[in-house]
Amino acid sequence: GDSVTQMEGPVTLSEEAFLTINCTYTATGYPSLFWYVQYPGEGLQLLLKATKADDKGSNKGFEATYRKETTSFHLEKGSVQVSDSAVYFCALYTGFQKLVFGTGTRLLVSP
Amino acid sequence: SAVISQKPSRDICQRGTSLTIQCQVDSQVTMMFWYRQQPGQSLTLIATANQGSEATYESGFVIDKFPISRPNLTFSTLTVSNMSPEDSSIYLCSVPRGGVVGELFFGEGSRLTVL
Repeated sequence: GDSVTQMEGPVTLSEEAFLTINCTYTATGYPSLFWYVQYPGEGLQLLLKATKADDKGSNKGFEATYRKETTSFHLEKGSVQVSDSAVYFCALYTGFQKLVFGTGTRLLVSP
Repeated sequence: SAVISQKPSRDICQRGTSLTIQCQVDSQVTMMFWYRQQPGQSLTLIATANQGSEATYESGFVIDKFPISRPNLTFSTLTVSNMSPEDSSIYLCSVPRGGVVGELFFGEGSRLTVL
């Protein structure tokens, strides 16, 4: 069945460092892909998405490119801030508004 | 956007008891989803709650264990029945953003610990 694999965390970075969180997927066809973020004490919220191959989603300085050749959707940010500390979830769409999520990657950014 | 409120935010329960989690949305929605996030694991969809019909359960989840009510278009409850320590999880209520594929709004979750 459809599945998402994320790199394990926590990822610990200093402020202004470059961030990559890896995400690969297994699915039939080319589903829409998403990154959700959960800040401390808050619910999950959509960070960005890509609906077809080679699309790049972007928001708040984060980017992810839908790579069908490598079945990947890695999350990147050029310069992280302390306020980016959160748990990041990669997800794919399976139909009927349902999502399959990865296990989440915790990011800790220190000043 | 939709604002989703869940109660309780956390609770500690005894083995064998049941607990009902409430989810209130600030707008009318057709579909509501209940997810479970076990420690160190991904979010797993338990069921879809549609107003006016029985909930639809995903593989591995049954109504006797997770009965769901959906009395109107803004409210739903999930009951975790006859709890065991394996039910210790965060339970999340979610609603779709109307007309947009795969975009969901989530509540803050209800963290249950079963002793």
